[in-house]
Amino acid sequence: EAAVTQSPRNKVTVTGGNVTLSCRQTNSHNYMYWYRQDTGHGLRLIHYSYGAGNLQIGDVPDGYKATRTTQEDFFLLLELASPSQTSLYFCASSDRQSGNTLYFGEGSRLIVV
Amino acid sequence: GQQVQQSPASLVLQEGENAELQCNFSTSLNSMQWFYQRPGGSLVSLFYNPSGTKHSGRLTSTTVIKERRSSLHISSSQTTDSGTYLCALANNYAQGLTFGLGTRVSVFP
Repeated sequence: EAAVTQSPRNKVTVTGGNVTLSCRQTNSHNYMYWYRQDTGHGLRLIHYSYGAGNLQIGDVPDGYKATRTTQEDFFLLLELASPSQTSLYFCASSDRQSGNTLYFGEGSRLIVV
Repeated sequence: GQQVQQSPASLVLQEGENAELQCNFSTSLNSMQWFYQRPGGSLVSLFYNPSGTKHSGRLTSTTVIKERRSSLHISSSQTTDSGTYLCALANNYAQGLTFGLGTRVSVFP
């Protein structure tokens, strides 16, 4: 069974604060993704990566940086958090060997006040 | 416009009733997936189904590419089926999936 672990699960920060969301997958998948989920918008892709050191821009990248340090670890960075970034964030991984299925983490709920 | 449209937006069922959820898409398709989102937020993959019909317990997914639609059938619904059902498609799987807004299903005893 695929395993994707996110931390923290819940986070409250102030406007202008610095936040790092972490994601680790133990499936040896090449592809990893960060999504945000908001009412009325569904899940939207922020950044994704093909492998360690690789970073690709998704559909809503503004205000976010990401870094893929190893095949297992993918981080999402909010360097100047704004209230508009209050959201539920999901990390996911996939690979051709997994049948193109995305495996999601449990989600990280971020509130920016 | 929205590439993936789901209907209905919400659905209320009495336990034991069947339901059909629809997903229509406006772009070419490489993969189609259905997910279940628990009320607490976590996502579970139900089907990877780019074409044809697949079954899993009381769930059936049917994708008709030439008609650009996919459906999810729930038979004999149970209260534990309550949650949100999301469809998602990709024309290049490496670039992630494009999600619909979901159908919120509520099943009452």
